[in-house]
Amino acid sequence: EAQVTQNPRYLITVTGKKLTVTCSQNMNHEYMSWYRQDPGLGLRQIYYSMNVEVTDKGDVPEGYKVSRKEKRNFPLILESPSPNQTSLYFCASSLKPPDRLAGVLNTQYFGPGTRLTVL
Amino acid sequence: GEDVEQSLFLSVREGDSSVINCTYTDSSSTYLYWYKQEPGAGLQLLTYIFSNMDMKQDQRLTVLLNKKDKHLSLRIADTQTGDSAIYFCAEYSISGGYNKLIFGAGTRLAVHP
Repeated sequence: EAQVTQNPRYLITVTGKKLTVTCSQNMNHEYMSWYRQDPGLGLRQIYYSMNVEVTDKGDVPEGYKVSRKEKRNFPLILESPSPNQTSLYFCASSLKPPDRLAGVLNTQYFGPGTRLTVL
Repeated sequence: GEDVEQSLFLSVREGDSSVINCTYTDSSSTYLYWYKQEPGAGLQLLTYIFSNMDMKQDQRLTVLLNKKDKHLSLRIADTQTGDSAIYFCAEYSISGGYNKLIFGAGTRLAVHP
């Protein structure tokens, strides 16, 4: 089954304790992205990756790191989590990178989400 | 700048039609999307419309696009309790110097008996 998976689904941690949220897709997608969802703000992009070893900052990258060593995996790393990073996180992937003139090749498919609480 | 706006809440009675509205700013977007997020789940692509279309119908879903007013709507006929979810409107645009998918804040649809 074609899907985007994330782990863990739920995580409660304390300030400063490093954590990693994994994301994996089995669709051979080039483009992967991390978003955070906060009430009333919709989804905001944290980081994205155009392909292996190509990553770049989104709108809210502070406090996060990513890596893309393999095409299928795109982990999100919080080196020193803080309470303002309490949020719902989504990983997404698409066959091709975003392009407003393109077709459904860049339709993004989302993982189930990771709810993170930082105390 | 690029922005997508939606009302935050909508409450309808089961069996009625729901209409969720969205306004967007980038008139050059080729595709506009509706995503659905059920409780505890990720976003699921519900439907999309190509910008040269005015309307797209898919079973109980009807998408209307008014390019002149940059207005997109999603109509759900015969709304059921299983339609209770958050619905996000989204478009691709250039923001901050690169192409990305821009989401509205989401409309929470509550269906009551």
